[in-house]
Amino acid sequence: DGGITQSPKYLFRKEGQNVTLSCEQNLNHDAMYWYRQDPGQGLRLIYYSQIVNDFQKGDIAEGYSVSREKKESFPLTVTSAQKNPTAFYLCASSIDGHKGEQYFGPGTRLTVT
Amino acid sequence: AQSVTQLDSQVPVFEEAPVELRCNYSSSVSVYLFWYVQYPNQGLQLLLKYLSGSTLVKGINGFEAEFNKSQTSFHLRKPSVHISDTAEYFCAVSLTGNQFYFGTGTSLTVIP
Repeated sequence: DGGITQSPKYLFRKEGQNVTLSCEQNLNHDAMYWYRQDPGQGLRLIYYSQIVNDFQKGDIAEGYSVSREKKESFPLTVTSAQKNPTAFYLCASSIDGHKGEQYFGPGTRLTVT
Repeated sequence: AQSVTQLDSQVPVFEEAPVELRCNYSSSVSVYLFWYVQYPNQGLQLLLKYLSGSTLVKGINGFEAEFNKSQTSFHLRKPSVHISDTAEYFCAVSLTGNQFYFGTGTSLTVIP
């Protein structure tokens, strides 16, 4: 079955540690996205990538970093510089950028204490 | 900057009653419009989309939405809701540039 996988489902870290969230897709989609979801705020775009080895900052990129070395993979690193990292993180992909709908992974809930 | 407004943060409705979830967007150019549903602790699932053509769009689970360009709206409707429709609903717009903009969501609660 094709789809997007995110791992782990739940992640706990101590403040000051970097943490990497995994996102893999086997849909052969070119575009991939990372969103952060907080209660009452909807989804906010962190980073997106339209092709391999290229990515752009979204609205809230500070404190995050990404890489796109393979078409299937778009990992997100939450660095210690991110002041409020506890949130639900969603990865998505789309076949045709803005025109096609986005397919979402199941999400990773990150808790930093 | 583009924006998407979902006017109601919470909508309670009795089972088998009709429901409308409102969505307005700000854009002076053509947009593509989407409605997604999210169940607790899960990702988003596409309900329906408007790319072009007929302004009335039918989606999964009996939902439909109407694109109104003059009012810049894309309201979601269902004539008779079920308990299983209880979820968070997000409206989204997309422009050129491969970015999507999401509303803050509407929590639909179906009351037995």
